[in-house]
Amino acid sequence: DAGVTQTPRHEVAEKGQTIILKCEPVSGHNDLFWYRQTKIQGLELLSYFRSKSLMEDGGAFKDRFKAEMLNSSFSTLKIQPTEPKDSAVYLCASSLAKGEVFFGKGTRLTVV
Amino acid sequence: GDSVTQTEGLVTLTKGLPVMLNCTYQTTYSPFLFWYVQHLNEAPKLLLKSSTDNKRTEHQGFYATLHKSSSSFHLQKSSVQLSDSALYFCALKRGSALGRLHFGAGTQLIVIP
Repeated sequence: DAGVTQTPRHEVAEKGQTIILKCEPVSGHNDLFWYRQTKIQGLELLSYFRSKSLMEDGGAFKDRFKAEMLNSSFSTLKIQPTEPKDSAVYLCASSLAKGEVFFGKGTRLTVV
Repeated sequence: GDSVTQTEGLVTLTKGLPVMLNCTYQTTYSPFLFWYVQHLNEAPKLLLKSSTDNKRTEHQGFYATLHKSSSSFHLQKSSVQLSDSALYFCALKRGSALGRLHFGAGTQLIVIP
């Protein structure tokens, strides 16, 4: 079975650009999460979807970050406009409602 | 709100020595605790989980016991190996196991020869 797939694995953007990160959850999973990982802040929740409905939106990230689930097997995270402080690893994860959470390998974003 | 505290940011140990990584939590709900391990440039993977008070859970030589009386779920191993070098996260879900994980800041474990 395929795990959580994230593309691209690496992204370099200029300040002010719009970037879109993509995620395909494990087939059949109905919970999907976006996290941002940095050495200083650790893992921070950006968005949490259940059955495509937004359940939780990280308060600090509402301004320029928008996650969507277009269907049960695909999600995007848009950052608009990007800033250098957005440089981080963005992790997508999925699970069944009460099951183990599986993570993708992440997208490493560098904003210059 | 729910929260997880990991007190050590970095632990450096010589191969063969025992290790304990601390994890305490706060929640008003019945807790479900997890340890995730993340090797360099890899996805975090589940290492251990427990919602049963005072019962030891083990996997790949690592073990932990959920103690609700002290709100703790410390990760231990009796003899660390070079391959154990990784980032370890403690995480919490509410007892129903629905919803999101709340993560601690993570502990970087470095094992040296």
